[in-house]
Amino acid sequence: GQNIDQPTEMTATEGAIVQINCTYQTSGFNGLFWYQQHAGEAPTFLSYNVLDGLEEKGRFSSFLSRSKGYSYLLLKELQMKDSASYLCAVRDIRGNYQLIWGAGTKLIIKP
Amino acid sequence: DTAVSQTPKYLVTQMGNDKSIKCEQNLGHDTMYWYKQDSKKFLKIMFSYNNKELIINETVPNRFSPKSPDKAHLNLHINSLELGDSAVYFCASSQERLAGAVDTQYFGPGTRLTVL
Repeated sequence: GQNIDQPTEMTATEGAIVQINCTYQTSGFNGLFWYQQHAGEAPTFLSYNVLDGLEEKGRFSSFLSRSKGYSYLLLKELQMKDSASYLCAVRDIRGNYQLIWGAGTKLIIKP
Repeated sequence: DTAVSQTPKYLVTQMGNDKSIKCEQNLGHDTMYWYKQDSKKFLKIMFSYNNKELIINETVPNRFSPKSPDKAHLNLHINSLELGDSAVYFCASSQERLAGAVDTQYFGPGTRLTVL
């Protein structure tokens, strides 16, 4: 079957670093995506990993370990505007390449 | 210059009514999607079209019927609305569905449907 797990909610302090974990189980893994969704808005693309390792993009980095079925999103130098939900999604080749989505992690940034 | 647009943004209606949501993308993408996001924030794929051809049709009540007049448009018609249909419906589009391709999905602003 297919299953994606992320923490429901996390809290961090402005200026700090936070790591949001995602574990997945899928029979036909073909890439992992992270999206950001502010309250009342649409999800927007943050990062993509298909090979093991770290992808860095400014303040955001995403890591993937396919053997462990594990990814994390690392946010550095947190800003108040980073308060949002972060959605992990896995592309499954057996599902006609559709994305299977986690429920998202609500990140609350405190001053 | 909106990339993916949906209308209406809000839809409040009575149980049993029929309603439609329209979606248009001006990105030149080949693939479009309809998602439902419920109160628990799970995004669930409902349908996907590639060049006007239905390629993903998840377990969705047949009261929901998508229609793609051309590859830039994907509309969603819902018959006999039920209370459980209340959710946010997102349209999205992407360029490719190839193995290994980034295939970023671009989302519309969402349609918040409330069934009374």
